[in-house]
Amino acid sequence: QQPVQSPQAVILREGEDAVINCSSSKALYSVHWYRQKHGEAPVFLMILLKGGEQKGHDKISASFNEKKQQSSLYLTASQLSYSGTYFCGTINRSSGGFKTIFGAGTRLFVKA
Amino acid sequence: SQTIHQWPATLVQPVGSPLSLECTVEGTSNPNLYWYRQAAGRGLQLLFYSVGIGQISSEVPQNLSASRPQDRQFILSSKKLLLSDSGFYLCAWSVQGGYTFGSGTRLTVV
Repeated sequence: QQPVQSPQAVILREGEDAVINCSSSKALYSVHWYRQKHGEAPVFLMILLKGGEQKGHDKISASFNEKKQQSSLYLTASQLSYSGTYFCGTINRSSGGFKTIFGAGTRLFVKA
Repeated sequence: SQTIHQWPATLVQPVGSPLSLECTVEGTSNPNLYWYRQAAGRGLQLLFYSVGIGQISSEVPQNLSASRPQDRQFILSSKKLLLSDSGFYLCAWSVQGGYTFGSGTRLTVV
């Protein structure tokens, strides 16, 4: 039931792009994305509610493909501040809409 | 504005001792409240969630329990801690959409 994130880790140079994927074996109601810095709590980035929906702010955006039961997070022209662990959280249609199950996370390291 | 308070920030407890972690939310009514645990370098494991006062759903059978005595208060408890209870405990709330997490409690059971 836990969504699968890929890759598990990625190292980028400043200015490079990255894509983080999140896949579920169950039909999804919504997908959330979070970033967690070491030793801190996760911080909400965005939520996608509809299949085909795309959202973004600054140079971080995401898409949601309901048919494929997956979401992707796009980080463009990465900055040092993008380093951290990225989690997707999914709400399945069968779960009553109240609980989010998180993926294992993708560790992103941006170096100068 | 909505804020979430969680305390204490760190806690070192001996095996077999009791536990009480408290979380309170301000600036919102009837939030959905959650307790998650994160082992070192791992993902977030849902422990409990609550959609209202006195309503608790448990996700993982273990020696932890949760209570919601007031609309904006969520408490995580244990009568006897185990070594495996060590981790980073996070309280979160949601009204619509994404979660807002508290600052977390780092629990070390020794």
